[in-house]
Amino acid sequence: GESVGLHLPTLSVQEGDNSIINCAYSNSASDYFIWYKQESGKGPQFIIDIRSNMDKRQGQRVTVLLNKTVKHLSLQIAATQPGDSAVYFCAENLSGTYKYIFGTGTRLKVLA
Amino acid sequence: EAQVTQNPRYLITVTGKKLTVTCSQNMNHEYMSWYRQDPGLGLRQIYYSMNVEVTDKGDVPEGYKVSRKEKRNFPLILESPSPNQTSLYFCASSLSTGTGSVDEQYFGPGTRLTVT
Repeated sequence: GESVGLHLPTLSVQEGDNSIINCAYSNSASDYFIWYKQESGKGPQFIIDIRSNMDKRQGQRVTVLLNKTVKHLSLQIAATQPGDSAVYFCAENLSGTYKYIFGTGTRLKVLA
Repeated sequence: EAQVTQNPRYLITVTGKKLTVTCSQNMNHEYMSWYRQDPGLGLRQIYYSMNVEVTDKGDVPEGYKVSRKEKRNFPLILESPSPNQTSLYFCASSLSTGTGSVDEQYFGPGTRLTVT
């Protein structure tokens, strides 16, 4: 696999438990946020997004929460499965720009 | 199948030897972007393109060039590669919302570049 996962914070959860991955974003002018999943040897894959006029959005087994007051984003994964093991990144899009800023990522390990 | 493709997937080269990494998407996306990924630094944006013939610098553009002559292709050019450009490179594409931002990005599989 690729070495990009070195030095990442790691979250270990038991299979079937819920996972919560946190992200502090950098710019109060950001108005669009995305969570990506990156498996070893692959490119990032979109999971869920949220715009700044919302504070919660749900997908299939995933929920994103946005707290603009403290510039905090979280990803909740329900009933975590072995296939959820990956590195998860948050990304922010600066309002009115085409620029994206990515977080450094969190490795999720699912324990059988 | 909707996808972003990159070539080559792996490349080892020497300092100063010009190289191009190709990127192509078949989704008719207006927006395309290049990123590099390094341990502990996450993904950093190199260049992006809002449409044909329209490009702009990201956060780390030094040492790179891009061009967007066709909508589907967005090659990344390293005129004189140096060892500090050893990295994992990703191309991405997205629909443009038309309001100065873009929707979710679709990423290619990555190109592992080593410059000796």
